[in-house]
Amino acid sequence: KQEVTQIPAALSVPEGENLVLNCSFTDSAIYNLQWFRQDPGKGLTSLLLIQSSQREQTSGRLNASLDKSSGRSTLYIAASQPGDSATYLCAVDPQRRGGYNKLIFGAGTRLAVHP
Amino acid sequence: EAQVTQNPRYLITVTGKKLTVTCSQNMNHEYMSWYRQDPGLGLRQIYYSMNVEVTDKGDVPEGYKVSRKEKRNFPLILESPSPNQTSLYFCASSLRLAGNEQFFGPGTRLTVL
Repeated sequence: KQEVTQIPAALSVPEGENLVLNCSFTDSAIYNLQWFRQDPGKGLTSLLLIQSSQREQTSGRLNASLDKSSGRSTLYIAASQPGDSATYLCAVDPQRRGGYNKLIFGAGTRLAVHP
Repeated sequence: EAQVTQNPRYLITVTGKKLTVTCSQNMNHEYMSWYRQDPGLGLRQIYYSMNVEVTDKGDVPEGYKVSRKEKRNFPLILESPSPNQTSLYFCASSLRLAGNEQFFGPGTRLTVL
């Protein structure tokens, strides 16, 4: 059964720090992994999508890596800003075994960046 | 602009009063799905659809219905809402079922009194 775990559950950092959010998954048979951002009570904004054949993706201050064989992904945020405060979710798109027809989400990392 | 839209964004209703939450995408996507998000439980899939007239249950389908009469629309129907259906609901779509980026709507905050 595919399970996704995110560590840490919560993180509070001062503005300007570089930080790393971790995501691990138990079954390496995935098509891709997506990182999302969610603001309190709001929708999901897709940040980065990494296909299973890729090692990393970058968008501005964000860099996501994928090591499929070890079941790990990291989201690196450079020079964090208060506007980065949100919950970050990772989700895997499993290859269709065992009846999976949906993304499998982690519980999220709640990030607070203080001035 | 490519997007998934949901309506209404916020809804307060009473037990037993039928309601429909609409979802529409303008990307010609085949796959659409509904999730609910609850504190401590994360996102759970309610129903999904692989194409017009093809729908199936997700993890938590009880108390919900869906239909897919047109490719762009995938409404979620609560025939007799109950307080345990108070939640944040998301519609999502992707080009096909497997291996494509999924796009999420802005969410519908539903409160059932």
